[in-house]
Amino acid sequence: QSALTQPASVSGSPGQSITISCTGTSSDVGGYKYVSWYQQHPDKAPRLMIYDVSNRPSGVSNRFSGSKSGNTASLTISALQAEDEADYYCSSYTSITTLRYVFGTGTKVTVL
Amino acid sequence: QITLKESGPTLVKPTQTLTLTCSFSGFSLSTTGVGVGWIRQPPGKALEWLALFYWNDDKRYSPSLESRLTVTKDTSRNQVVLTMTNMDPVDTATYYCAHRRPHTIFGALYFDYWGQGTLVTVSS
Repeated sequence: QSALTQPASVSGSPGQSITISCTGTSSDVGGYKYVSWYQQHPDKAPRLMIYDVSNRPSGVSNRFSGSKSGNTASLTISALQAEDEADYYCSSYTSITTLRYVFGTGTKVTVL
Repeated sequence: QITLKESGPTLVKPTQTLTLTCSFSGFSLSTTGVGVGWIRQPPGKALEWLALFYWNDDKRYSPSLESRLTVTKDTSRNQVVLTMTNMDPVDTATYYCAHRRPHTIFGALYFDYWGQGTLVTVSS
């Protein structure tokens, strides 16, 4: 099972918007709505930011939004803030064999 | 309040078997839709899903590691145990257990609460 492909790094200035892509196949991202995104600060456990492609758990800022088109999911962070600097991982259900779960390669977001 | 905490050895030798315990509170593993998953992260690298124990005793494993992994539960102690055989230095990683956000569809796998993680080093 191959990891989903993300850009290694994305950067932006405070107040700007950035988008992180997550590319898979029709057997994972493209085939199902079970895509999620996690934020991870250094030496911390990941935090769920988006589930079901575009839903936010309680407590997550509405500056974070998710979408999907074909085999690519995206996470957009608007009005970028210094605290958004972290690693971000997408994940998806995959049906290549039987029920499986795959993470993305991870993206380092830098706030300039 | 949901909490999870991993425990186990910090150092194992190559070829040994690793046993990690996830002790949790604030939820029941018998509740429909609930699950406990294991995820690891080698130093400086990406997250990797390992296994999941579902509320109905169903278990799923990463295909690349399935032959080496076993996940079990101890309901009376609110614990889920991960066993990984034949450890190798490439298995050096921080191992996390996490609570699955309740959902009746198996493929909707989202981890909304995580343990702090435990670093396991494999070295002779």
